[in-house]
Amino acid sequence: GEDVEQSLFLSVREGDSSVINCTYTDSSSTYLYWYKQEPGAGLQLLTYIFSNMDMKQDQRLTVLLNKKDKHLSLRIADTQTGDSAIYFCAEQSGNMLTFGGGTRLMVKP
Amino acid sequence: NAGVMQNPRHLVRRRGQEARLRCSPMKGHSHVYWYRQLPEEGLKFMVYLQKENIIDESGMPKERFSAEFPKEGPSILRIQQVVRGDSAAYFCASSPATSGGYEQYFGPGTRLTVT
Repeated sequence: GEDVEQSLFLSVREGDSSVINCTYTDSSSTYLYWYKQEPGAGLQLLTYIFSNMDMKQDQRLTVLLNKKDKHLSLRIADTQTGDSAIYFCAEQSGNMLTFGGGTRLMVKP
Repeated sequence: NAGVMQNPRHLVRRRGQEARLRCSPMKGHSHVYWYRQLPEEGLKFMVYLQKENIIDESGMPKERFSAEFPKEGPSILRIQQVVRGDSAAYFCASSPATSGGYEQYFGPGTRLTVT
């Protein structure tokens, strides 16, 4: 089975960049996703990247994909206090998404 | 254009009772997925349904859990004889038929507490 891993916690200062990392195991994954979950809320789809891409940029978000190392990262530029949340990466495995355990991002003013 | 809707948002059940969780997909979406999130963990896939069909139930516990997506009405996740270990957040996601399962949009979840 697939196993998606993320570090548990990241703390940054407001205005700095945040980089959240993820490793996955299914080399046949076609799409990889980043979701954001605020306390007590559902998951918000932030961005996704197709497996034949190396990078995708969307406003303050930059996704980098290293297929050789099965490594995915999400960079948030100019991090704001409103970015404080749990961030989940997920890989597409057939019809289902397999999620990592989530990285809790804390942004200090 | 309403997003994925789930109700109830919070559900409290005593051990042994039944829990019914409802999910209405986004307009135009005919594929529904259920996921479970245990405290402090990521989401785990449970089941994937299309209208009147269960396509993949590889993540469903073998007993007490069932899901349906009728021709009319919402998708239902049913848990019979609930136990404390069923306490979790249950999320529903939907995607359009043309996406092949990509771009799954999630509802706000139902938080089930078993006392």
